[in-house]
Amino acid sequence: QSALTQPASVSGSPGQSITISCTGTSSDIGNFNLVSWYQQYPGEAPKLIVYEVTNRPSGVSNRFSGSKSGNTASLTISGLQAEDEADYHCSSYSTTYLQVFGPGTKVTVL
Amino acid sequence: QLQLQESGPGLVRPSETLSLTCTVSGGSVTTSDHHWGWIRQPPGKGLQWIGTVFFTGSTSYNPPLSSRVTISIDRSKNQFSLNLNSLSAADTAVYYCARKGRGGYYYTYWGQGLLVTVSS
Repeated sequence: QSALTQPASVSGSPGQSITISCTGTSSDIGNFNLVSWYQQYPGEAPKLIVYEVTNRPSGVSNRFSGSKSGNTASLTISGLQAEDEADYHCSSYSTTYLQVFGPGTKVTVL
Repeated sequence: QLQLQESGPGLVRPSETLSLTCTVSGGSVTTSDHHWGWIRQPPGKGLQWIGTVFFTGSTSYNPPLSSRVTISIDRSKNQFSLNLNSLSAADTAVYYCARKGRGGYYYTYWGQGLLVTVSS
């Protein structure tokens, strides 16, 4: 059950900026500013990096930024670093499922 | 610092019931500001929300799973639990317990996760 759509992989060189998209519908992303993003390293639990579309928890680098347009939310990682190589999951409130996640995007630093 | 720790069996047989417990330390499950939840991740796949419980015992479940899921809270032990019945191989996953952010639909604290395999 992945009601949200994400690209399977995104890559970039150190120092570059990359953007990961997360597409939903009017039942989730389109009508609610309740999108969150998680970073997950292999074998570890997810870590919250963005909530309510644009907010960053304390301690999260300002190189991570979130945005939304219509039914699509985006996570931008600027000044890409080797430590950013991980899986990134989006999530949203949903009127159908209450909470949905995307399938995850693997970020590779070239 | 709030910490969550999942416990339970790593192997369960098909058609049986899975019972997992999340023990909370460094904080209380009786706080009125937060919900406590379960999320799972099949091997190599994305996350799936299972459900949440409030300190009052009020619950919310993912509709496709709701007929098989029960989440409860034990204030005396500072724990909350997940029961999932009628298991099949599709329920094989890493199960995480987590705490929701205040008033939001995001999870700020997570347990380390527990791999549960459904197999005979």
